[in-house]
Order: sequence, then C-alpha cells, then structure tokens
Amino acid sequence: GENVEQHPSTLSVQEGDSAVIKCTYSDSASNYFPWYKQELGKGPQLIIDIRSNVGEKKDQRIAVTLNKTAKHFSLHITETQPEDSAVYFCAASTNGGSQGNLIFGKGTKLSVKP
Amino acid sequence: DVKVTQSSRYLVKRTGEKVFLECVQDMDHENMFWYRQDPGLGLRLIYFSYDVKMKEKGDIPEGYSVSREKKERFSLILESASTNQTSMYLCASSQGAANIQYFGAGTRLSVL
Repeated sequence: GENVEQHPSTLSVQEGDSAVIKCTYSDSASNYFPWYKQELGKGPQLIIDIRSNVGEKKDQRIAVTLNKTAKHFSLHITETQPEDSAVYFCAASTNGGSQGNLIFGKGTKLSVKP
Repeated sequence: DVKVTQSSRYLVKRTGEKVFLECVQDMDHENMFWYRQDPGLGLRLIYFSYDVKMKEKGDIPEGYSVSREKKERFSLILESASTNQTSMYLCASSQGAANIQYFGAGTRLSVL
C-alpha cells in the first residue's frame, strides 16, 4: 500500500523567511496530494492541494510542487508570519478504490519566530 | 461552509467502559472517516464508511467499531476502553473519491 514520508518533523524559521516541507510517496498510482494545516486545538484544515496532471500550484504565499518521476512533493511558504506556526500534514491518495482514502505523513511542526 | 461536528471536545472515561464518539456532517457527504492522532505518528485511519450502513476497516481497527445508520452521522465505538486508547480522535467527511476531506475539531479522550 501507499506510504508517505514527511520531513522535517520540526522546523523553526524567522519571520519573513521561507519554509519548505518535503514529502515522498511510494505508490506511483497516487494522483491527489493535499496539504493540511492544524492549529492548536483545532482539526486539520486543507490549505492547498495538487493533482498529478499539474506540476506546481500557488495560492498567495503558499505553493506546492510535484515531481511525479521522483515521487515527491513539497510545500513552500514564503514571507512567513507568526500565524503560520502550526503542524502541517501532507497526504497522498489514489482515485477510485477505497473512495479516495488519504495516507498522511507524520506531520511537521513549524514555528515562526517574530 | 462544510461543518463537521464532533459531540465532545474532551472526554474522560474509565478502563472497561463502553465509549461512544459521535460525528455529524452537514454537507450530505458520502464518505466519513475516523482517525486517531498521536504525537509522532500522524493521523492513522481507524474506520471509514462510503455509504449508510457500510463500513470498512482502516489501518488500526482493533478495539474499535463504528456505526452509520444515517448519512450525516458516523459513530466510533470503543467496546471496552483501555488506557492505550487515550488519544485525539478526528472525524472527517468527503464527497467522492480522491477529494477534499473536511475535519472536525477533534475529541481528546483520556482513559484512566
């Protein structure tokens, strides 16, 4: 089955710097890659996603890149702000079968220092 | 906005008790999921359901069961709670395959 590895497990940056979180997946059939942000005391919330027919997607300060050949995808946050501090999860899913279950990475705790 | 509501934010139960965690979604989603979240282990899928009265085992179903009698409600049941089931439990729903999952705020369960 699918396996998703996420690195690093913790990341500390200064406000205004960029942050990059990387994930690799094992199943070449995976075609949907969402990123979730979980703030303290809340459930995970989708912040951006990408499908396998696209190599990059941007939404203001966040972007996701996908390399299907290498089977890895990354989250990029530019001009980080203290409110970006949270735990971030990547996930991978295949279309069809098991109704699109998501396989999650173990998470990255991002701390943005003012 | 999609809303996934978990009935309790915090629960404290005794070992051996039967525990019910309730989840309701208001978007007529087909799919519903129960995860548990533990530090360093991420989100692990316990059970999921893609239709009323349907259920499928996830990665860690042992010690749990589920019930989906109505489309909007998905219940997680701990038949006899044990201390190793102390965890954060998250419910999610989605529409169709390979699609956005919407999460509830979570229930933090402590089994003493």
